[in-house]
Amino acid sequence: EPEVTQTPSHQVTQMGQEVILRCVPISNHLYFYWYRQILGQKVEFLVSFYNNEISEKSEIFDDQFSVERPDGSNFTLKIRSTKLEDSAMYFCASSGAGEQYFGPGTRLTVT
Amino acid sequence: RKEVEQDPGPFNVPEGATVAFNCTYSNSASQSFFWYRQDCRKEPKLLMSVYSSGNEDGRFTAQLNRASQYISLLIRDSKLSDSATYLCVVNQAGTALIFGKGTTLSVSS
Repeated sequence: EPEVTQTPSHQVTQMGQEVILRCVPISNHLYFYWYRQILGQKVEFLVSFYNNEISEKSEIFDDQFSVERPDGSNFTLKIRSTKLEDSAMYFCASSGAGEQYFGPGTRLTVT
Repeated sequence: RKEVEQDPGPFNVPEGATVAFNCTYSNSASQSFFWYRQDCRKEPKLLMSVYSSGNEDGRFTAQLNRASQYISLLIRDSKLSDSATYLCVVNQAGTALIFGKGTTLSVSS
């Protein structure tokens, strides 16, 4: 069964550093998403991406965040200057025209 | 007002029990509805979509009441493996999924 994959599974970084989280969506899907979940809290939408551009973003997705689809398979989330409060699980998801399927997540720890 | 509200639980039930979870959503323009399951420190996994007429998948039954903005999930004959957090999820205009905080279920032998 096809699945969304994410790397790395765990990323530790220092405050102020840039991080790039990587995702490989399901191959025939056209819509891609990033969500985050701070420990003990609900899953929150960050951004959606379709046809090589952002289609929707939340208020969390400010100027320090960016997304890119650098080739036909990868979808990345970059955080330019990490803050302590960016520590969370970051989930990538993809969909065809319906339900969204989530990757296993990257645990980001900012120290 | 929270967009998607759920009773956080935990619900502690014995194997074989029937358990029901409820969820309310605030935006009447919500278009699609889902139940996801999340195991500890894992990704949300789609359990089932929820349709206006109600739908069933094995031991799981989902109901939607658009007038009351209310969604439910019924689990019959609970198994140990059903222990997880159940997330009520709605999709409003656009593509973003809006998650509830989840209801924790613990099934014991």
